[in-house]
Amino acid sequence: NAGVTQTPKFRVLKTGQSMTLLCAQDMNHEYMYWYRQDPGMGLRLIHYSVGEGTTAKGEVPDGYNVSRLKKQNFLLGLESAAPSQTSVYFCASSETRTEQYFGPGTRLTVT
Amino acid sequence: AQKVTQAQTEISVVEKEDVTLDCVYETRDTTYYLFWYKQPPSGELVFLIRRNSFDEQNEISGRYSWNFQKSTSSFNFTITASQVVDSAVYFCALSGTMDSSYKLIFGSGTRLLVRP
Repeated sequence: NAGVTQTPKFRVLKTGQSMTLLCAQDMNHEYMYWYRQDPGMGLRLIHYSVGEGTTAKGEVPDGYNVSRLKKQNFLLGLESAAPSQTSVYFCASSETRTEQYFGPGTRLTVT
Repeated sequence: AQKVTQAQTEISVVEKEDVTLDCVYETRDTTYYLFWYKQPPSGELVFLIRRNSFDEQNEISGRYSWNFQKSTSSFNFTITASQVVDSAVYFCALSGTMDSSYKLIFGSGTRLLVRP
């Protein structure tokens, strides 16, 4: 039982490049979330999903897209990376009102 | 609108001191959940506690205790006899139930440094 895993752990992109972050959970949770963490700002919700095939925007969705084709996976895409997207990205999953289980994070730098 | 405020950006104490981390929240939901997470220097987020809005009993878990007061919209966290391993960033978070996504609204975090 690995919980929530994220791939990759680190990545450096040049401005304009694209990439996809993968989140996988093995707890059969319905709800999955992508957050970004910036210094002094806590975690802010980017996008989330309340079940397979569904996605919705969070607090800071601009510049990101997501997909939830399989219940256990939640992908976060950056189509054209910008320096403002330099951040630590956390994926989380939960079952209704229980606590959210977080992945280890992905540190992304855009130069 | 929902909001979580952690006014203490950074706290520094000497080992064995008691320390309280403040959390004030705003919500219009009548039913909601409050959480505390710990983020040690290694970066992962560790769940500490979840309380629902109908349960105002204080909770103690070892050296950790939580004081939930609806009247002041606060959910404060106290570490008794702090240890160096308690050094971390602590986040308070809120989840309302009017929003079916159950997403978490985080405070900006309090960095706790426990010096030997």
